[in-house]
Amino acid sequence: SQTIHQWPATLVQPVGSPLSLECTVEGTSNPNLYWYRQAAGRGLQLLFYSVGIGQISSEVPQNLSASRPQDRQFILSSKKLLLSDSGFYLCAWSADTGQSNQPQHFGDGTRLSIL
Amino acid sequence: SQQGEEDPQALSIQEGENATMNCSYKTSINNLQWYRQNSGRGLVHLILIRSNEREKHSGRLRVTLDTSKKSSSLLITASRAADTASYFCATDGSYKLIFGSGTRLLVRP
Repeated sequence: SQTIHQWPATLVQPVGSPLSLECTVEGTSNPNLYWYRQAAGRGLQLLFYSVGIGQISSEVPQNLSASRPQDRQFILSSKKLLLSDSGFYLCAWSADTGQSNQPQHFGDGTRLSIL
Repeated sequence: SQQGEEDPQALSIQEGENATMNCSYKTSINNLQWYRQNSGRGLVHLILIRSNEREKHSGRLRVTLDTSKKSSSLLITASRAADTASYFCATDGSYKLIFGSGTRLLVRP
């Protein structure tokens, strides 16, 4: 069965520090991968998605970047965090069938607090 | 841009009652999905309904889709305290989903 791992679960970082959040998927090949951010009590904002190694699409211009160094690994990074980067970050995967009707499967998220 | 908008934003019901949540969207879709999120956790996929379907059931869940009105509803029958969560609709775009802002459901024991 497929599983998705996301870590760390919580993170407290000072303004201006770097960030690296990691997400890995097991039990499937060539998944579509996604990074979302969720503000408290709000919906999900898609940040990045990837349909293959090295292929990253950015949805929102911002202080963050994403990379996919391996088929089932998706990393969210920042060189210098801003206060506005605080939030709940979720990684998700879906099967790559070339169709848009696949369910997405989410990790348990990382709660990032910037001080 | 946000495609789906859920209504109401919050809903409080007694255990055993039915809960109905609505979702409206703006552009044509191929399918619409509903997800559930427990507090502080990731989202869990509940059900997918295709644009050529009008109704779909899964256990105590019933989803309807009206493409002429660009709306969908999620009905949870005989609610339980464990159904307390936020519920989101999501519409499809190329390789990605666009989520609404969610309905927060509280089921009182």
